[in-house]
Amino acid sequence: AQKITQTQPGMFVQEKEAVTLDCTYDTSDQSYGLFWYKQPSSGEMIFLIYQGSYDEQNATEGRYSLNFQKARKSANLVISASQLGDSAMYFCAMREVPNQGGKLIFGQGTELSVKP
Amino acid sequence: DAGVTQSPTHLIKTRGQQVTLRCSPKSGHDTVSWYQQALGQGPQFIFQYYEEEERQRGNFPDRFSGHQFPNYSSELNVNALLLGDSALYLCASSLYPPIYGYTFGSGTRLTVV
Repeated sequence: AQKITQTQPGMFVQEKEAVTLDCTYDTSDQSYGLFWYKQPSSGEMIFLIYQGSYDEQNATEGRYSLNFQKARKSANLVISASQLGDSAMYFCAMREVPNQGGKLIFGQGTELSVKP
Repeated sequence: DAGVTQSPTHLIKTRGQQVTLRCSPKSGHDTVSWYQQALGQGPQFIFQYYEEEERQRGNFPDRFSGHQFPNYSSELNVNALLLGDSALYLCASSLYPPIYGYTFGSGTRLTVV
């Protein structure tokens, strides 16, 4: 069965510093997608970054980058130059094969707190 | 460009009652998925609708049912509410088959007392 594991329930980072949020996954599929979402207290899931299993380069979106290590089955999120507005829950998710429905499987989340 | 709209935002129901939650997908999207997020947990997939049919279902009892309308909007119905159904219910829209373009709404916070 597919599974996402986030081992850090909570993280603290100083404003303007970089932080890495860990994510490991388990799947027997060759084709899959990995996502990171930010969830502020308002509840909305905000898309941050996507990595396809066949993508050879690590994905980057502004201050967000995904450290994809396929052999280790890890997909860590790196946030550079943290801002106070980055304080939120962060979820790693894996997408099943699209032609089988493409549902998202989420981890338990990491609560990030940015200190001024 | 409107994103995903969910209503109501908050709801309080009594055990045993029935509830209907609504979702309007992002313009251009034709697929709607529903997720349940208990407090302190990650979202869990309930089911997905495309072309007005349930295409995929997660590990949820038959008390959870849904519907998709011709305009792609969707409803989630929960019968015989239990205290454990208290959660944030998130709707996500996408194109079919979904690859990476999921857009989530802000959710409906359901409290069962």
